[in-house]
Amino acid sequence: GAVVSQHPSWVICKSGTSVKIECRSLDFQATTMFWYRQFPKQSLMLMATSNEGSKATYEQGVEKDKFLINHASLTLSTLTVTSAHPEDSSFYICSAPKGQGNQPQHFGDGTRLSIL
Amino acid sequence: SQKIEQNSEALNIQEGKTATLTCNYTNYSPAYLQWYRQDPGRGPVFLLLIRENEKEKRKERLKVTFDTTLKQSLFHITASQPADSATYLCALIMDTGRRALTFGSGTRLQVQP
Repeated sequence: GAVVSQHPSWVICKSGTSVKIECRSLDFQATTMFWYRQFPKQSLMLMATSNEGSKATYEQGVEKDKFLINHASLTLSTLTVTSAHPEDSSFYICSAPKGQGNQPQHFGDGTRLSIL
Repeated sequence: SQKIEQNSEALNIQEGKTATLTCNYTNYSPAYLQWYRQDPGRGPVFLLLIRENEKEKRKERLKVTFDTTLKQSLFHITASQPADSATYLCALIMDTGRRALTFGSGTRLQVQP
């Protein structure tokens, strides 16, 4: 069964709206989670690293004020797309490594965000 | 800069044949490499991990090889089935301190019945 749950699975909203996406680790604690964005027919691009109890680390070119990340507990990270515009429409996916060392990532099932 | 390339955007094969997917990387020496499967509208699912000191890894009908001299990994699916149709992604951890994955562009495999 799923070990990382992502919610909602899809969102359609008007331009200017802020949208919050949740990522939960279901049966393990994750001090680190990752947020990716995927455009149609393209691969996953890392947006930011979510760190429990400290600030997120953003990749070059990703606006931290646009994509707010909060890792409030060991099982929950949230990504808020603020004042979303049509160009923010994409597939957002979170992941978390289970365990220490070089463990594989467990991915959520993604959130399809469509901004009208 | 570091790059990961999967040089086939799409691959069509007949059911029962072996699918071979290629992943090449440059300007990096990873300790290990991972392969994931992604179905449309879903998140990636982990398949196999191979370490730099392993030449080959198998799991049921899947086989991965890792040639650190060529900087290449090959992913094989034997006795392919239509249910194997999906996008396959190779991935590396470029920054071992953060453990974030960098993905290749993916190969979309279509197995025809």
